[in-house]
Amino acid sequence: DSGVTQTPKHLITATGQRVTLRCSPRSGDLSVYWYQQSLDQGLQFLIQYYNGEERAKGNILERFSAQQFPDLHSELNLSSLELGDSALYFCASSEAGISQPQHFGDGTRLSIL
Amino acid sequence: AQSVTQLGSHVSVSEGALVLLRCNYSSSVPPYLFWYVQYPNQGLQLLLKYTSAATLVKGINGFEAEFKKSETSFHLTKPSAHMSDAAEYFCAVSGGNAGNMLTFGGGTRLMVKP
Repeated sequence: DSGVTQTPKHLITATGQRVTLRCSPRSGDLSVYWYQQSLDQGLQFLIQYYNGEERAKGNILERFSAQQFPDLHSELNLSSLELGDSALYFCASSEAGISQPQHFGDGTRLSIL
Repeated sequence: AQSVTQLGSHVSVSEGALVLLRCNYSSSVPPYLFWYVQYPNQGLQLLLKYTSAATLVKGINGFEAEFKKSETSFHLTKPSAHMSDAAEYFCAVSGGNAGNMLTFGGGTRLMVKP
């Protein structure tokens, strides 16, 4: 058990809709990272937050946004969904002073119909 | 820019045989290198990481990897495969202009035959 909790585990929705994915980092971890895993793109880094502030940005679309709240949980918002957004979305966390993800959640599988 | 190439999207070995998963990287500055394992329906788990200390890095579950700067490689090995090693393995690199952002390879699915 990594200690990182992601909800929901599965999400099925339609094109054009908006969804919110939630992540609770491992207890004590200050950084949260979001990754997208798809068959054609592989594992892509989306965004990182550290103690509530955006720390690094990767290949995140403008239709996507994220935030980290004072209690350190994070949400990834995906809007105007397209078929190509179907993927596994992972959240990861790391301790203060560690600059790469250490603990990964089991992911949220998003299916766009 | 940095990149990672994993040679062989699928590798099959017999139980008890040597496991060798290949990873080559490209980075304009000394990299940090990582190997992660992903079991079915689970997230990634860090196996080991190289951060410019010893070039031979030992990880969990009996895996190790050797950083070879001259070959820009960071291959993952295990002397004797176990059925429970069947999973997908990802090599990743960070450092350089991308800062701490991890760039992952395409992954190698390891199959272990009884």
